[in-house]
Parts: sequence; structure tokens; C-alpha cells
Amino acid sequence: DQQVKQNSPSLSVQEGRISILNCDYTNSMFDYFLWYKKYPAEGPTFLISISSIKDKNEDGRFTVFLNKSAKHLSLHIVPSQPGDSAVYFCAALGNNDMRFGAGTRLTVKP
Amino acid sequence: DVKVTQSSRYLVKRTGEKVFLECVQDMDHENMFWYRQDPGLGLRLIYFSYDVKMKEKGDIPEGYSVSREKKERFSLILESASTNQTSMYLCASSLFESGANVLTFGAGSRLTVL
Repeated sequence: DQQVKQNSPSLSVQEGRISILNCDYTNSMFDYFLWYKKYPAEGPTFLISISSIKDKNEDGRFTVFLNKSAKHLSLHIVPSQPGDSAVYFCAALGNNDMRFGAGTRLTVKP
Repeated sequence: DVKVTQSSRYLVKRTGEKVFLECVQDMDHENMFWYRQDPGLGLRLIYFSYDVKMKEKGDIPEGYSVSREKKERFSLILESASTNQTSMYLCASSLFESGANVLTFGAGSRLTVL
């Protein structure tokens, strides 16, 4: 069963615009959430995270929002750049159990 | 720069062959993990280890085994490779600490079983 879902397999945005990647989870035990970014032929790299005690965490162009009541988080990239084109994985952690979503492929067009 | 190194980037094996995937980390991390990545399924945990000679099954351990004889090295073994094990295999490591558990991944090993 997929406890972490990324329902959009792909997303295409124009350079300079906002990219919004979404992630839903089902398990209330998850209390820490992470986003990883993966380029082709490379392993995923950690991008940004958020604890369940917060509803927002910002790091430069990247902001993660958490809505615990809806069991939903999103990653906002503003402004989007062509170098942001990659697959983004959402991950949820609880009780030392980490679950990943299926990933969303972001393409930022120049 | 800290690293997780997977020795084989691309492998092609035949059904029934024994396959070894090696992973080495230089960060003195206690935890090490093996995932496989398949389209539409994301990353699924095969096995993990919290210490030398310790191993725990993940979500999809069937058809796999692991070995951790040294802290820095975690090997994934396919005793008899099958075509449904064609996948991208990712090794990762992390520090043993509560709360945040940020994984550092290797570049991956793409295995094709014919």
C-alpha cells in the first residue's frame, strides 16, 4: 500500500514561474517530511524538510508547506529555473519508518 | 565531500546468476540501506542495517540478502537473479539519531537481468 502518494507523475512549467509539487500521506504516525531531488544517472539528494510541529519551512527558492489536518504537503519553487528539472521525491518519516512517493518529474522550460 | 559509492553503475546479468552490488560510505554512518527504484513505484526499501553484522528486512526482501561485515560497507546479494529484479538499485546511509533522518544516496546501480 502506498502510504505516500505523489499523484502527478510529471509537471511542466516556464522558467521564472512557480512550480508546485504535491504530496499526500495516509499514516498519522509520520512526523517528519523530506523532499529529495534526483537528476538522471545520479542518486537522490536531500533538498528540504519539515517537522510536523511546523507548517512552513523556507530555504532560498524552496518552500515546503505542511497541512497536517489534510495530510498534505507541497513544495514550492520560486522562481523556477531550468536546472531545477529533475524528479522530486516526497518522503515521510515516523517511528524510524521512511516511506517515499513515486516521484514527480519536473521540467522547467527556458 | 562525503560520499556513498556504489561500485557498479551498470550491470547486465543472466537469469539465475548470482549478483553482488557493493556500497561503501566514508561518513562513519551507522545506518545503511538498499532501495530499488521502479517507475511509478518510487523507492522501496529492500534491507537496512543499523550496525555491523546487523540486518533488517525492508518492504521487499524476497529474492535478496545482504551482508555488513564492516561499518562502511553494505552489500546486496541476489542469489539467483530473475528478470523482475531488473531495476535501479540505490544504496544510502545516515547517522543514527532520533528525529530527522536525512539519507545520503549513492549514484545507483542499474541492473538488467536477461
